[in-house]
Amino acid sequence: GQQVMQIPQYQHVQEGEDFTTYCNSSTTLSNIQWYKQRPGGHPVFLIQLVKSGEVKKQKRLTFQFGEAKKNSSLHITATQTTDVGTYFCADPTGNQFYFGTGTSLTVIP
Amino acid sequence: SAVISQKPSRDICQRGTSLTIQCQVDSQVTMMFWYRQQPGQSLTLIATANQGSEATYESGFVIDKFPISRPNLTFSTLTVSNMSPEDSSIYLCSALAGGYEQFFGPGTRLTVL
Repeated sequence: GQQVMQIPQYQHVQEGEDFTTYCNSSTTLSNIQWYKQRPGGHPVFLIQLVKSGEVKKQKRLTFQFGEAKKNSSLHITATQTTDVGTYFCADPTGNQFYFGTGTSLTVIP
Repeated sequence: SAVISQKPSRDICQRGTSLTIQCQVDSQVTMMFWYRQQPGQSLTLIATANQGSEATYESGFVIDKFPISRPNLTFSTLTVSNMSPEDSSIYLCSALAGGYEQFFGPGTRLTVL
């Protein structure tokens, strides 16, 4: 299967600080998806990016797809305690979803 | 959208036994999937549950160990057979409701003693 790596694995931030997680694929992706999983919960779909260089925003969240379509990032501005959880990118190629390794975000009040 | 329920939510089983996990969707969906997630780890796709035909398994997963049924467009089961402690994990069902957004069930937490 595909190799989708994310960095960092863990991130602790003070509330109000920014946060970024990076997703890197060993191959060119057709699309990329992002999910959030709260502690004890199940993954929840956030967004799908399709185009090279695409940037999408959802309130304080900014998603970007690399020009070569081999990497992506999720940036959260001014984190809040509700942002706590693990963020996964996923490669939905051929409806076989390969999830990245995930970044666990802890927000310190 | 799709709302997915799973039964049981958790179970503790003895090695050598089998457990069947049920996944019910509140609407007809095009595709259903089964994942495994170790605590603190990422999701690993086990198989795609195909309606009316054999499931499509990912590398490292076989039908004898993880038989899957999908008798209709809203229901699927995953059986974890001849369990060992290494099968202890969270098993998640998911579905595509016609688009590209994947909806997940709440998961089944399995502990094998």
